[in-house]
Amino acid sequence: GENVEQHPSTLSVQEGDSAVIKCTYSDSASNYFPWYKQELGKRPQLIIDIRSNVGEKKDQRIAVTLNKTAKHFSLHITETQPEDSAVYFCAASIAGTSYGKLTFGQGTILTVHP
Amino acid sequence: GAVVSQHPSWVICKSGTSVKIECRSLDFQATTMFWYRQFPKQSLMLMATSNEGSKATYEQGVEKDKFLINHASLTLSTLTVTSAHPEDSSFYICSAQGDVTGFKGSPLHFGNGTRLTVT
Repeated sequence: GENVEQHPSTLSVQEGDSAVIKCTYSDSASNYFPWYKQELGKRPQLIIDIRSNVGEKKDQRIAVTLNKTAKHFSLHITETQPEDSAVYFCAASIAGTSYGKLTFGQGTILTVHP
Repeated sequence: GAVVSQHPSWVICKSGTSVKIECRSLDFQATTMFWYRQFPKQSLMLMATSNEGSKATYEQGVEKDKFLINHASLTLSTLTVTSAHPEDSSFYICSAQGDVTGFKGSPLHFGNGTRLTVT
């Protein structure tokens, strides 16, 4: 089955700096890669996703890059703000009827210091 | 946007009792729902995939007789934790999959989760 590795497990940055979180996956059939932000005790919130037919996607301060050959994808947050502090999860699945059969990474605790 | 309602949001039960968790898609039809479990400070782990009108597909290591899943309609799936034990205490989250045709945003919508504590 799919295996998703996520690094780092914790990330501490100063407000205004950039944050990068990286994930690798093992199953070459995976073609849907969402990123979720989760605050304590709450549901995961989708912040951005990318499908394997594109290499990069950007939404304001958030961007995701995908390297299919190397089987890795990264989340980039620019101009970080204290409210960006949360746990971030990457995930992978196969688009179609199994979008929701997600394999999650281990999570990254992001702390943005004012 | 699409809304998935999950109830209860938290429940405390005694060891040996059963607990039912409901997951409803309020404004769309979900032919497929997914159930996840998340232990404290850990990632989400898929437990099972539930398709309307058919038996759920369980992930390896998940006991189907302990975690009963019913998906009787296109808007409702339930997870029943039978004979709950303290080690079943966890955060259970459902996810409903809507229309997967085209690329109109994410087809997945998570419920708010249920915090189960077994004493």
